[in-house]
Amino acid sequence: GAVVSQHPSRVICKSGTSVKIECRSLDFQATTMFWYRQFPKKSLMLMATSNEGSKATYEQGVEKDKFLINHASLTLSTLTVTSAHPEDSSFYICSARDLGSSYEQYFGPGTRLTVT
Amino acid sequence: QKEVEQNSGPLSVPEGAIASLNCTYSDRGSQSFFWYRQYSGKSPELIMFIYSNGDKEDGRFTAQLNTASQYVSLLIRDSQPSDSATYLCAVNLPFTGFQKLVFGTGTRLLVSP
Repeated sequence: GAVVSQHPSRVICKSGTSVKIECRSLDFQATTMFWYRQFPKKSLMLMATSNEGSKATYEQGVEKDKFLINHASLTLSTLTVTSAHPEDSSFYICSARDLGSSYEQYFGPGTRLTVT
Repeated sequence: QKEVEQNSGPLSVPEGAIASLNCTYSDRGSQSFFWYRQYSGKSPELIMFIYSNGDKEDGRFTAQLNTASQYVSLLIRDSQPSDSATYLCAVNLPFTGFQKLVFGTGTRLLVSP
């Protein structure tokens, strides 16, 4: 149980284009999903908290107009990186919290974004 | 003081030994504690969580929580080379309404055959 998928696993795009990353909870309902990014050999950095049916809450320093988050259902959240630049290249990971559990978060496999 | 602190390591242990990983946290009101394992290039995998003082065992893993001293540890018995990874400690902190996890920087564990 508690499986979270992400798609795509790897994407290369050109500067100025937008990229959408999907995060799905496969066998549970998730009222809350989280989006992280991780640079090589660094710890996870929380970008935003996504609640189903409401606006995402962004961490300080994260541009909400650049990183658009939509949580349209209890099993799907999307992150769109708009007008991507090379500095947006990173490992993006989502996690989901099971509606029926306490505070455990289960992570998706991550999406490696490279902007050329 | 950081909210969640871990020694970055690497912690090197021989195969079959006990690996002991430690984590301290700053907020005495914290209630939920998690250990994640992250292999290089992969996302974190939840291996243990503990919500009450004392020990919690699951297979070769034991999580220990001491709220008086504000530390949580992870013991890995009979360490295997496949246990070599970075171990992340995460804590639900009260100031976030217990909604978000705050991660330590991780301890790299190396188990030599």
